Amino acid sequence: DQQVKQNSPSLSVQEGRISILNCDYTNSMFDYFLWYKKYPAEGPTFLISISSIKDKNEDGRFTVFLNKSAKHLSLHIVPSQPGDSAVYFCAASAMIKAAGNKLTFGGGTRVLVKP
Amino acid sequence: NAGVTQTPKFRILKIGQSMTLQCAQDMNHNYMYWYRQDPGMGLKLIYYSVGAGITDKGEVPNGYNVSRSTTEDFPLRLELAAPSQTSVYFCASRPGQGRAGYTFGSGTRLTVV
Repeated sequence: DQQVKQNSPSLSVQEGRISILNCDYTNSMFDYFLWYKKYPAEGPTFLISISSIKDKNEDGRFTVFLNKSAKHLSLHIVPSQPGDSAVYFCAASAMIKAAGNKLTFGGGTRVLVKP
Repeated sequence: NAGVTQTPKFRILKIGQSMTLQCAQDMNHNYMYWYRQDPGMGLKLIYYSVGAGITDKGEVPNGYNVSRSTTEDFPLRLELAAPSQTSVYFCASRPGQGRAGYTFGSGTRLTVV
């Protein structure tokens, strides 16, 4: 039972255009969502997060949107740059202290930004 | 500032062999985690720890063991390696307070033949 899903395994976009990555979740207990970026042969690095009390969070070229009723979030990258080419993981957690605030990850979306 | 350090980076094991994947963090984080990433898949939680002396199973714990004798170290033990354990293993840590994201190590690529 995949609680966090990224239905698009890959995305190709032209430099300067917008990249939109999507993520769906099923567990209504999730209240905190994060996006991670991963380059080959490296560990994932934190990109941006959003709490369930918000519907938008912005950090430079990266914006995350959350639609709680649809259990859907998206990451927008504007403008896309060749250095953004990486695998992006969506992750979610529920505020349950005893459970160690574990993150549940989606399967990832590979983004290729063409010059 | 080392962050999370994993060793070794690569390893080839024969079926039935044992090994320990090392993970150390120097950020005084209480929470530590072990994930595996199979090709084309997301990260699945193997074990986690909320502090020294406390460990618990994640989603895919079978075939693995962990210990947490210090805040800094969280080794992952494979007792009888199987081909199904071929994967990339990531260790991560986070502070005990707040909702900060994880800091990941660079991973250990393990092949069981």
